[in-house]
Amino acid sequence: QVQLVQSGAELKKPGASVKVSCKASGFALKNHFMHWVRQAPGEGLEWVATLNPNGEDTAYTPRLQGRLSVTRDTSTSSVYMELTGLRLDDTAMYFCAREMEGPKQNFDSWGQGTLVTVSS
Amino acid sequence: QSALTQPASVSGSPGQSITISCTGTNFDVGGYNRVSWYQQHPGEAPKLIIYEVSNRPFGISSRFSASKSGNTASLTISGLQPEDEADYYCSSYAGVVIHYVFGLGTRVTV
Repeated sequence: QVQLVQSGAELKKPGASVKVSCKASGFALKNHFMHWVRQAPGEGLEWVATLNPNGEDTAYTPRLQGRLSVTRDTSTSSVYMELTGLRLDDTAMYFCAREMEGPKQNFDSWGQGTLVTVSS
Repeated sequence: QSALTQPASVSGSPGQSITISCTGTNFDVGGYNRVSWYQQHPGEAPKLIIYEVSNRPFGISSRFSASKSGNTASLTISGLQPEDEADYYCSSYAGVVIHYVFGLGTRVTV
């Protein structure tokens, strides 16, 4: 069955970088857009990035443009999100999510989330 | 790009029906038939319950239905059950710059 398993929680200082992984199973990454969505504590959902099925084309929220990078490793069926220059307000649960084949502009399967805490 | 507008909370008794609205603009909800809805229980990842305005993924109860009129989408939960108590988020595709916007979420209490 479709499964997305993310790496564990991270505690970082302001200005540092973090790289979160998302390992996919049960489907082929080359057939799906993959997204990253974050949720600050007690807040709503915010789309942050999209990776095209070709593994090369990306889209980022303007809010994080220049600090965010999404990549893919087909040999491990994993997608990665790296955020640099961390700020206190980057503290959030970061989810990877798959889009239905189509494309359908939705998020049909989700990872369990990775809590990134930025604190001095 | 502003978040989509949802009521902060909606409540109902078991067996009742409730409706959650989601209001956007011509650049998101009104511009694309790419509205989706997500259910999120505390401490869990969101779960897709509606896509492309009114389609249910396999395995989602028919008690969940949705529609769209102009810039406002709506989710209806019929025959409310205790397990429906959760946060519900709408989302819409918003074009090639913003890509996706979410609502701020609606807490449903049963």
